[in-house]
Amino acid sequence: SQTIHQWPATLVQPVGSPLSLECTVEGTSNPNLYWYRQAAGRGLQLLFYSVGIGQISSEVPQNLSASRPQDRQFILSSKKLLLSDSGFYLCAWSGGNNEQFFGPGTRLTVL
Amino acid sequence: LAKTTQPISMDSYEGQEVNITCSHNNIATNDYITWYQQFPSQGPRFIIQGYKTKVTNEVASLFIPADRKSSTLSLPRVSLSDTAVYYCLVVLIGDSGAGSYQLTFGKGTKLSVIP
Repeated sequence: SQTIHQWPATLVQPVGSPLSLECTVEGTSNPNLYWYRQAAGRGLQLLFYSVGIGQISSEVPQNLSASRPQDRQFILSSKKLLLSDSGFYLCAWSGGNNEQFFGPGTRLTVL
Repeated sequence: LAKTTQPISMDSYEGQEVNITCSHNNIATNDYITWYQQFPSQGPRFIIQGYKTKVTNEVASLFIPADRKSSTLSLPRVSLSDTAVYYCLVVLIGDSGAGSYQLTFGKGTKLSVIP
């Protein structure tokens, strides 16, 4: 069966510090991968999606970036965090059909 | 992507049937209606999907009228554990591009089940 992992589960970072969140998927190959952010009291916002290694599409311009160095690895990064980057970050995968499977999420607090 | 509109919140007592209605006036021919459930501090989870008429699974039923401009998620005999946010989405199916698998989440409907 397929599983999706995210780490860390929680993170507290000062403003201006770098960020690296990792997501890995097991049990499937060539998945579509997604990064979402959910700010407090708001819906999920799609940040990036990828259809293959090295292929990244950005939905929202911001100080975040994403990379896909391996087929089942998706990384969300920032060089300098802003206060507005605080939120709940979710990674998801789909096998090419309509259903997306979400990871456990990372709670990021920028102070 | 078709926009969806659903109530911000709903309250229900345990054991009651809950119906959450979603409007999607601009739904396209190849769009499907999909519902996700999200518990606090967890990622959303797929509940049900349909194209027209009625779809039922072990969790919920989905009613879609002939014009497909709205849909109703029905949760039978809710319990406290059904307290969650429910999202209605319109998803394009059948395109081989990843853009068709993008999910646009609104704010959803926060369902609170009261003992």
